[in-house]
Amino acid sequence: DTAVSQTPKYLVTQMGNDKSIKCEQNLGHDTMYWYKQDSKKFLKIMFSYNNKELIINETVPNRFSPKSPDKAHLNLHINSLELGDSAVYFCASSRSGGAPGELFFGEGSRLTVL
Amino acid sequence: LAKTTQPISMDSYEGQEVNITCSHNNIATNDYITWYQQFPSQGPRFIIQGYKTKVTNEVASLFIPADRKSSTLSLPRVSLSDTAVYYCLVGDYTDKLIFGTGTRLQVFP
Repeated sequence: DTAVSQTPKYLVTQMGNDKSIKCEQNLGHDTMYWYKQDSKKFLKIMFSYNNKELIINETVPNRFSPKSPDKAHLNLHINSLELGDSAVYFCASSRSGGAPGELFFGEGSRLTVL
Repeated sequence: LAKTTQPISMDSYEGQEVNITCSHNNIATNDYITWYQQFPSQGPRFIIQGYKTKVTNEVASLFIPADRKSSTLSLPRVSLSDTAVYYCLVGDYTDKLIFGTGTRLQVFP
């Protein structure tokens, strides 16, 4: 009964490859996010979707493409992976009308690019 | 967007009360103050949120002075399992939440 689940938990791949990380939430929330946490532990927002619509798109290379097939899913596809993409990627969700700033995070997906 | 400043690290012993203070001098009228906890290899977890004065829940208390330019997260009688990074954030529901560097709390036996 995991609230926000991400797959895979670990991903090791070579430079230049394309990979996807999937996220699903069963909380009935209508907003979902992708955050990136680098080796220095800075946690930065990348994207935000509300009811399948892109709301926030931070300065992220266009090699990163989020896709939301429905409001319970937000997937992250990364093309032409680079060494600097190595990080932990967190999916999160929130509900409209909830406490401002209350996000529910997944366990994270650790991406290692070799 | 309001920026936050908090100590990089703090040490404590089991059973003590820990107070982590966060500065947010540029907090806006509509901003709430939110604290998250993150254990290694896990996503951040919402702990507590407040707008002014004092808020208390089963995990922590949050003290906010009248000018709201700072806030203090208080953890009563910490245990080893409270060892984590604690993030202070300010913003309203329309803002992109900005996580700073956080405060790394180490609890010793």
